[in-house]
Amino acid sequence: EADIYQTPRYLVIGTGKKITLECSQTMGHDKMYWYQQDPGMELHLIHYSYGVNSTEKGDLSSESTVSRIRTEHFPLTLESARPSHTSQYLCASSIWAAEGSYTFGSGTRLTVV
Amino acid sequence: KQEVTQIPAALSVPEGENLVLNCSFTDSAIYNLQWFRQDPGKGLTSLLLIQSSQREQTSGRLNASLDKSSGRSTLYIAASQPGDSATYLCAAPLSGSARQLTFGSGTQLTVLP
Repeated sequence: EADIYQTPRYLVIGTGKKITLECSQTMGHDKMYWYQQDPGMELHLIHYSYGVNSTEKGDLSSESTVSRIRTEHFPLTLESARPSHTSQYLCASSIWAAEGSYTFGSGTRLTVV
Repeated sequence: KQEVTQIPAALSVPEGENLVLNCSFTDSAIYNLQWFRQDPGKGLTSLLLIQSSQREQTSGRLNASLDKSSGRSTLYIAASQPGDSATYLCAAPLSGSARQLTFGSGTQLTVLP
C-alpha cells in the first residue's frame, strides 16, 4: 500500500490553463522530490525540498513551481500549461537517501492539448 | 558529478532464462546503490538496496551485487517470468550528498512466455 499519494492520476487540460499536481506523504519524510519522465525516457529531477519552506530547482529546467508549507504536502503548479508540458510527473520522498527510504508515488500523467 | 549508466537499454528473453542487468557509476564514494522496478505508466518500486559495506543483496529470485572499486553493480534475475517484464533502474546517491539519488536511464526487460 502506497504511503505517498499523487492526484490526479491522469489529467487532460487545454493550453493556457493553470494546474496543480498534488503530492502527499504520510511517512513524516522531510525530503521530497518531483521528477519529470517522458515515455520510455529517463527520470529528470525538476524540484526538491529538504524541509518546510525550503525548495530548490533540480537538474532539468522547468516552468513549474513548488511550495512546501507542510511537511506532508509538496504540490507542483503550472501557471499556464503548454503542450510541451505533456509528460509524467513523479513525486518521491525520503528520510535520507543513504538508508534507502526513497519512496515514489504512482505518478500523474499530464496531457496538454 | 555522479553519472549512472545502464546497459543494455532493452532486453528480450524467453521465459525461464537467467539474466543479468548492468549498472555503472562514476563516483565510487557512494553510501549505497538501489535497484528499482518501474511498470509502464507507474511509479518506481524499490527492489534491493546494497549498502557500501556489502557486496551483494538477495530477495527471492533477485540478486544484486556491488563492486565499488570498479564502479559497477549487477542485478541477476533467476528463472525469469513474464511478470518480470518492466523497466529496471539503478540509482546511486548524488556525489557528496546522501539526500538525492542519481538514476540511470533503465533497462527495459521483456520476458516472452
